[in-house]
Amino acid sequence: DIQMTQSPSSLSASVGDRVTITCQASQDISNYLNWYQQKPGKAPKLLIYDASNLEAGVPSRFSGSGSGTDFTFTISSLQPEDVATYYCQQFHNLPLTFGGGTKVEIK
Amino acid sequence: EVQLVESGGVVVQPGGSLRLSCAASGFTLDDYTMYWVRQGPGNGLEWVSVLSWDGGNTSYADSVKGRFTISRDNSKNSLYLEMNSLRSEDTALYYCVKGGREDIVGVPTAMDVWGQGTTVTVSS
Repeated sequence: DIQMTQSPSSLSASVGDRVTITCQASQDISNYLNWYQQKPGKAPKLLIYDASNLEAGVPSRFSGSGSGTDFTFTISSLQPEDVATYYCQQFHNLPLTFGGGTKVEIK
Repeated sequence: EVQLVESGGVVVQPGGSLRLSCAASGFTLDDYTMYWVRQGPGNGLEWVSVLSWDGGNTSYADSVKGRFTISRDNSKNSLYLEMNSLRSEDTALYYCVKGGREDIVGVPTAMDVWGQGTTVTVSS
């Protein structure tokens, strides 16, 4: 199974700050990496697919990069509505696996 | 509007059985690969099962293999998860999820539509 190691597990930042989350795969997954946002009490929502493609309707302050084993998710200017837990997910092999999540809070 | 609505989650005793349902609207279920994903209390996300768009392929997480069965009814545009020999560790919110963002050979590369989930509690 491919292990997805996400860090940090939580962070606190100010409105307007640049926020970066990393995700490392235990083996090469090419660009088969997605990022999801889960707000409290809600279902996850796809933000970024294939490592760097922004899902339709998602604000451009969200972005993703990377390939192979190392990936980065960035919020360029943190907004209050971005408070959520963010998950990476690999789609290279079954079983599909998720990172442990990063809880983002406002300082 | 593309929508998934799960139902069937209840409190069940260890060793019991349950069938979850997922009603799809706004799209035809058998055009897409579909998934079940679960989230234990305060936990992260765990992929449970997949059913290919043509219905010919299924796969399961090791934690549920041999106990859970994924299926669909095209006439009802609905997806199901039959759950047997339930254990306390199966307690979770279960999401029905649509595959999307297909690659050049039509294989989905992301989960693009999620239901609101249905809660299964396994407890005596």
